[in-house]
Amino acid sequence: DTAVSQTPKYLVTQMGNDKSIKCEQNLGHDTMYWYKQDSKKFLKIMFSYNNKELIINETVPNRFSPKSPDKAHLNLHINSLELGDSAVYFCASQDTAGSYEQYFGPGTRLTVT
Amino acid sequence: GDSVTQMEGPVTLSEEAFLTINCTYTATGYPSLFWYVQYPGEGLQLLLKATKADDKGSNKGFEATYRKETTSFHLEKGSVQVSDSAVYFCALSVTGGGNKLTFGTGTQLKVEL
Repeated sequence: DTAVSQTPKYLVTQMGNDKSIKCEQNLGHDTMYWYKQDSKKFLKIMFSYNNKELIINETVPNRFSPKSPDKAHLNLHINSLELGDSAVYFCASQDTAGSYEQYFGPGTRLTVT
Repeated sequence: GDSVTQMEGPVTLSEEAFLTINCTYTATGYPSLFWYVQYPGEGLQLLLKATKADDKGSNKGFEATYRKETTSFHLEKGSVQVSDSAVYFCALSVTGGGNKLTFGTGTQLKVEL
């Protein structure tokens, strides 16, 4: 069973479109994250949710809106896509009751043309 | 703010060579330290971690020791294999800061026969 899954794995779209990336974890963790990895492999936190509540928003443009319908899911919706949004987006979940290790999904490669 | 500095890559080694990837950090609190590995086309996997000073994390022949006096967490392996070729990320997490991971820029390792 996949612990943290993301869909889609690849997403190619045009500037100005709106798209969503979905993330699900079956680990029973309370905390989930979105990270962005740019073309130089640099990873930066975007958002964090704990039990469906937003706890971190790292000055991400408001075109990005995370949504957590329940603690096992954290989706990322992006409005009015721009060229600079092209990146790999990683979802992660965290065991805050134990080791604090973060488990990462396989990533979604977003290409905006 | 919190930050992680790691040596620039790429690092190219011959199989069975000794590996060191340097990592230093600055943190506002008392951080936990991590090394994550990203194999080509995959998400991040936790390689090892240390949660307090002088702890040594180890896994798959890799080791790193939490050195508070030098604010360092250098990754070492005595004999690398071709299968170790990947990007290695040093990261820290401070409890109370949302437990987010702050990553270094990543170091690409290529091991050749």
